[in-house]
Amino acid sequence: SQQGEEDPQALSIQEGENATMNCSYKTSINNLQWYRQNSGRGLVHLILIRSNEREKHSGRLRVTLDTSKKSSSLLITASRAADTASYFCATDATSGSRLTFGEGTQLTVNP
Amino acid sequence: AAGVIQSPRHLIKEKRETATLKCYPIPRHDTVYWYQQGPGQDPQFLISFYEKMQSDKGSIPDRFSAQQFSDYHSELNMSSLELGDSALYFCASSFDRGRFYGYTFGSGTRLTVV
Repeated sequence: SQQGEEDPQALSIQEGENATMNCSYKTSINNLQWYRQNSGRGLVHLILIRSNEREKHSGRLRVTLDTSKKSSSLLITASRAADTASYFCATDATSGSRLTFGEGTQLTVNP
Repeated sequence: AAGVIQSPRHLIKEKRETATLKCYPIPRHDTVYWYQQGPGQDPQFLISFYEKMQSDKGSIPDRFSAQQFSDYHSELNMSSLELGDSALYFCASSFDRGRFYGYTFGSGTRLTVV
């Protein structure tokens, strides 16, 4: 990816456990977004956090943003088998009008 | 609620042929984006349009062109297709350039070049 990296590349957990994915980026941003993608399917917007926000919640999702470290994390609590998917962070840089994606984390939640 | 509509869902073309992908954004969204996603890769930005004018250009080959029409639908034209063009092509749309509400992606067109 031209913008950043995600960590880990793959994560396998048991149902009910929490999953944490990290994302780093390189440029100044307007906002950072997390998307979910089931295999071969479209990208689904999960949550958007603006550059002046530090934490945001949506249901079982919690996103943090540290602009000083240019990093973000996505926490999925009480995971379910249906959460199995690839998760991408994406940044909307201040200099342009494109969304730039990280390399994604493949999450597998075992029943 | 209406989503971003892409057609066709699947397309098989031979090398050196031409393909046209269509995208119908969510009504009242002012920006349309095209992305290419190869197998196991993250989506790569190709091109975007804001209010029917090209607003940004990414790693789009010269063999590809795109436009947005008066009814806001967009088309991605791909000529002289190569095997390496096989990928998922996504269209997305947003309101206010996605600054507050993110992008809405279509289900994609899977292009296979044989």
